Amino acid sequence: KAGVTQTPRYLIKTRGQQVTLSCSPISGHRSVSWYQQTPGQGLQFLFEYFSETQRNKGNFPGRFSGRQFSNSRSEMNVSTLELGDSALYLCASSLTGTHNEQFFGPGTRLTVL
Amino acid sequence: AQSVTQLDSQVPVFEEAPVELRCNYSSSVSVYLFWYVQYPNQGLQLLLKYLSGSTLVKGINGFEAEFNKSQTSFHLRKPSVHISDTAEYFCAVSGKAAGNKLTFGGGTRVLVKP
Repeated sequence: KAGVTQTPRYLIKTRGQQVTLSCSPISGHRSVSWYQQTPGQGLQFLFEYFSETQRNKGNFPGRFSGRQFSNSRSEMNVSTLELGDSALYLCASSLTGTHNEQFFGPGTRLTVL
Repeated sequence: AQSVTQLDSQVPVFEEAPVELRCNYSSSVSVYLFWYVQYPNQGLQLLLKYLSGSTLVKGINGFEAEFNKSQTSFHLRKPSVHISDTAEYFCAVSGKAAGNKLTFGGGTRVLVKP
């Protein structure tokens, strides 16, 4: 069974640009969560999508948004990039319920110059 | 709001020696607890989780953790480490009302020396 895949793996952008990251969950998983990992702030929850609806949201500004498609694939968008948005963005998928094991992808490393 | 504290940012340990990684959480409601491992340039992998039941939880790769409600702790242990256990370890908590949202500790970097 294929694991969680994230594309692209590496990305370089400049301040003010916007970026879209993609996550394909494990087949059959309907929940997709996004996390930001930085050396200073550690791992922080961004949001969770379940059946195309945002089910939970962390404390990030509105520049961070996401969506989920009918095939459970999810995208995350960051607009008006800032230097502080440089991070590893991790996607995790899990089965239908809550507190099921979350399976993490390898992440997308975003660098903002 | 929930918070998780991992008391040690780095733990050096010799191969075949035991290791304990400490984790304390703060929450006023019932919680679920997890330990994840992250190898360089990879995502996180679940080692073990506590949802309910026995307070001693056994996970993969010989790791185990004990849930202590009175001390709000969930320390991770392994009796004998291998070089391949060199990685960063994260303790995480989610509340029953928080769905799949995980709150992570700051991580503990384990360096196993030969």
